[in-house]
Amino acid sequence: KQEVTQIPAALSVPEGENLVLNCSFTDSAIYNLQWFRQDPGKGLTSLLLIQSSQREQTSGRLNASLDKSSGRSTLYIAASQPGDSATYLCAATNDYKLSFGAGTTVTVRA
Amino acid sequence: NAGVTQTPKFQVLKTGQSMTLQCAQDMNHEYMSWYRQDPGMGLRLIHYSVGAGITDQGEVPNGYNVSRSTTEDFPLRLLSAAPSQTSVYFCASSRGQLNTEAFFGQGTRLTVV
Repeated sequence: KQEVTQIPAALSVPEGENLVLNCSFTDSAIYNLQWFRQDPGKGLTSLLLIQSSQREQTSGRLNASLDKSSGRSTLYIAASQPGDSATYLCAATNDYKLSFGAGTTVTVRA
Repeated sequence: NAGVTQTPKFQVLKTGQSMTLQCAQDMNHEYMSWYRQDPGMGLRLIHYSVGAGITDQGEVPNGYNVSRSTTEDFPLRLLSAAPSQTSVYFCASSRGQLNTEAFFGQGTRLTVV
């Protein structure tokens, strides 16, 4: 059974600081790793999808890396802004199923 | 673009009542799934479907039924609501079950009293 862990559970940084969010998973036989953003009371918005054959994926200020052998993925958000405040979830895909971490809640202080 | 639409957004049920949470997608996606989200536990898979007429159980299927008669719709039925089913429910779809981006609905917040 895939277990996905995100540490820390919460993070508070001043505006402009770079954010580093960690995700670890126990079963390395994944098809992909996805990062999502969730705003309070809202659904999940996909940020980045990294295929199992890829090492990283970039979109604007966001960069996600994947190391299957060590069971880790990291989401980097450059030059954080107050609008980046949200909960960030990672999910690993095995077979037909997404396994989610509990998320990291980020607060960017103006 | 509608994407994945869930109804209702909020619902209060009494213990023992039944209801259906609706989910519809307009992207012609084959794969659809239902998750529940509880504080501190992340999202857990309830049921999923890889195409019309095909469904399977996820991690926490007890107390829930699903059917997939069309590509677009994937309703989730609560047979006899229990307080333990108080949660936020999310429906998701993707073009294929592997290596494709998942799209989520806005969620249904269910309270069972």
